[in-house]
Amino acid sequence: GAGVSQSPSNKVTEKGKDVELRCDPISGHTALYWYRQSLGQGLEFLIYFQGNSAPDKSGLPSDRFSAERTGGSVSTLTIQRTQQEDSAVYLCASSFSATMSESTDTQYFGPGTRLTVL
Amino acid sequence: QKEVEQNSGPLSVPEGAIASLNCTYSDRGSQSFFWYRQYSGKSPELIMFIYSNGDKEDGRFTAQLNKASQYVSLLIRDSQPSDSATYLCAVNSPRDYKLSFGAGTTVTVRA
Repeated sequence: GAGVSQSPSNKVTEKGKDVELRCDPISGHTALYWYRQSLGQGLEFLIYFQGNSAPDKSGLPSDRFSAERTGGSVSTLTIQRTQQEDSAVYLCASSFSATMSESTDTQYFGPGTRLTVL
Repeated sequence: QKEVEQNSGPLSVPEGAIASLNCTYSDRGSQSFFWYRQYSGKSPELIMFIYSNGDKEDGRFTAQLNKASQYVSLLIRDSQPSDSATYLCAVNSPRDYKLSFGAGTTVTVRA
């Protein structure tokens, strides 16, 4: 596709349920990033993938959060036993690579998944 | 000290005026600087990136970078009501790959 896509666009779940959020990056982009944005807040980095590997998972808020990426493309972010404080917009971004050079590390964002935990 | 700081705003400017947005960052080794625009309820949209000291112009937008002062700014000339949004400054440090975002400055352009 032309841009980063995410699904679902909205997810309402009950406290304690598990949810899976999906991100499909721009074709050819090897780096993929997950962020979280709570209402009225800035963007909080969660995790980053270069290819299929995630060198740094330290941004994940708790062990209820996990993410994987297979085939160097689609990524899923899983939240187990959701809590009300998990309610936020989850944003995915991709870049051509994660090395810092002109034009290759620019991140492009998807439309986000709005998660509401009741 | 926050890694990236922006004017808290909100910034209100009349249509046709220049909107000036400021951003400072703490990591002197930072090399990549980005401005994103975020409309309410939407995801961030890249406006410009800048890597070298000086000015970079793209249409009505000009980004200015001063690495010695650890300062990056965005000027919006001939502001339009459609420019009303939150503008996010983002900085990529040399040690890692994630963008550090400022809290954003909300701009309102009055018709």
